Amino acid sequence: DIQMTQSPSSLSASVGDRVTITCRASQGISTYLAWYQQRPGELPKLLIYLASTLQSGVPSRFSGSGSGTDFTLTISNLQPEDVATYYCQRYNIAPPTFGPGTKVDIK
Amino acid sequence: DVLLVESGGGLVKPGGSLRLSCAASGFTFNSYVMTWVRQTPGKGLEWVSSISDRGTFINYADSVKGRFTISRDNSKNSLFLHMNSLTADDTAIYYCATFPTALTVFGVGPSGYWGQGTLVTVSS
Repeated sequence: DIQMTQSPSSLSASVGDRVTITCRASQGISTYLAWYQQRPGELPKLLIYLASTLQSGVPSRFSGSGSGTDFTLTISNLQPEDVATYYCQRYNIAPPTFGPGTKVDIK
Repeated sequence: DVLLVESGGGLVKPGGSLRLSCAASGFTFNSYVMTWVRQTPGKGLEWVSSISDRGTFINYADSVKGRFTISRDNSKNSLFLHMNSLTADDTAIYYCATFPTALTVFGVGPSGYWGQGTLVTVSS
């Protein structure tokens, strides 16, 4: 199976900072990658699919990029409500594996 | 609005069985891939199984293959997960999730809409 890794595993940043999370696939997956946000005690929320397409209703400060094996999620202007764990998920072929997650906190 | 409501979770002994259901509304059910994802409290997300809009493509995680069976009834806008030979490792919140078929790949895709989840606890 294609494995997914994320870095860093956690980060702490200030309100207004630009935050970047990286997701790497062990093999090429084209752009079949999604990003999710899961706030504490809440359901996962799809932010981005096809590596860079913003899901309806998601704030424009979130953006995604990448193809092949290396992908990034960028939060351009970190807000307090962005405190959450962020997961990537590949879906080029079954099983659609999730990454281990990146926990984002506010300094 | 898309609404997914899971039911059927509960406490079951190791080796036992359980059937989860997901009632869907607010979208054209037979045009969406349906998925089960589970999460152990405090841990990450684990994809369990997906079924394509007409049931043509069905996939399972290796951890449940041969023990779990996913099915859907498009006439009743319902999704099911039959779980057999349950072990403590299957203890988790099970979420029903969905995404339009057009944005998936042979029955595999992201999960854009989620139910609230149903808790399955396997313990003696």
